[in-house]
Amino acid sequence: DTGVSQDPRHKITKRGQNVTFRCDPISEHNRLYWYRQTLGQGPEFLTYFQNEAQLEKSRLLSDRFSAERPKGSFSTLEIQRTEQGDSAMYLCASSFILPYNEQFFGPGTRLTVL
Amino acid sequence: SQQGEEDPQALSIQEGENATMNCSYKTSINNLQWYRQNSGRGLVHLILIRSNEREKHSGRLRVTLDTSKKSSSLLITASRAADTASYFCATDRSGNTPLVFGKGTRLSVIA
Repeated sequence: DTGVSQDPRHKITKRGQNVTFRCDPISEHNRLYWYRQTLGQGPEFLTYFQNEAQLEKSRLLSDRFSAERPKGSFSTLEIQRTEQGDSAMYLCASSFILPYNEQFFGPGTRLTVL
Repeated sequence: SQQGEEDPQALSIQEGENATMNCSYKTSINNLQWYRQNSGRGLVHLILIRSNEREKHSGRLRVTLDTSKKSSSLLITASRAADTASYFCATDRSGNTPLVFGKGTRLSVIA
C-alpha cells in the first residue's frame, strides 16, 4: 500500500503522560502536514514540513507539542504532559509542492486522554 | 480558525436522489477542494476547482465556484448508500499553504 500510513491508530493515555505518533507519507511527496480534528468539526492545521524543514506552526501548537521530520521522510508528533483537551483525531497528510496542493490523508490516530 | 462554512450541517436523502451541499468562505483563494470522510476515518480527496474555474465534473460529482460570492457547491447525483459520509470543503490561499477546512456536512443516504 503506497498511501499515507499512521501509527498507532488508537492511543489511550492518562493525563500527564507523553505520547508520540508517527506518520509515513507517500514517498514522492515533499510536503507533510499535521491536522487535529475534534468531534463534529473539520480538521484544523497544526504544522507542516517541506522535506525536513518545518515551515509553519499554528497557534494551536502549544509548547507541549513538537513535530519532527528528521530525514524528510516520516514524521513524528509528540505531545508532552497530555491534557484531556488533547483528546482528538490527529491526521497526517502529504502532497507535492506543486501544482495545486491536493493532499492525501492517512487514517488518523485517535487519542483519548483519561 | 475555520474559514469555510458548509450548509446544511446535516442532510438526509433517499437513495437515487441528488444531494447538494454548499460552502462559503471568507478570504480570497487559489483553489477550493472537497473531501469526504467516512465515520472515524481519514479524508479522501474528491475534487479540486481552481479560482479561475466556474464548474467542474468528476463522475457523479459536480462542483461550482462563485468567487464573487465566495461560495461553492457540491452536487452528488443519483446518490447511493455508500455516499453516506461527512463532506468538507477546504480552501487554499495560494496553492502553497495549509488547507483551511469547514465544519462539514453530514450526509445520510437511506437505502
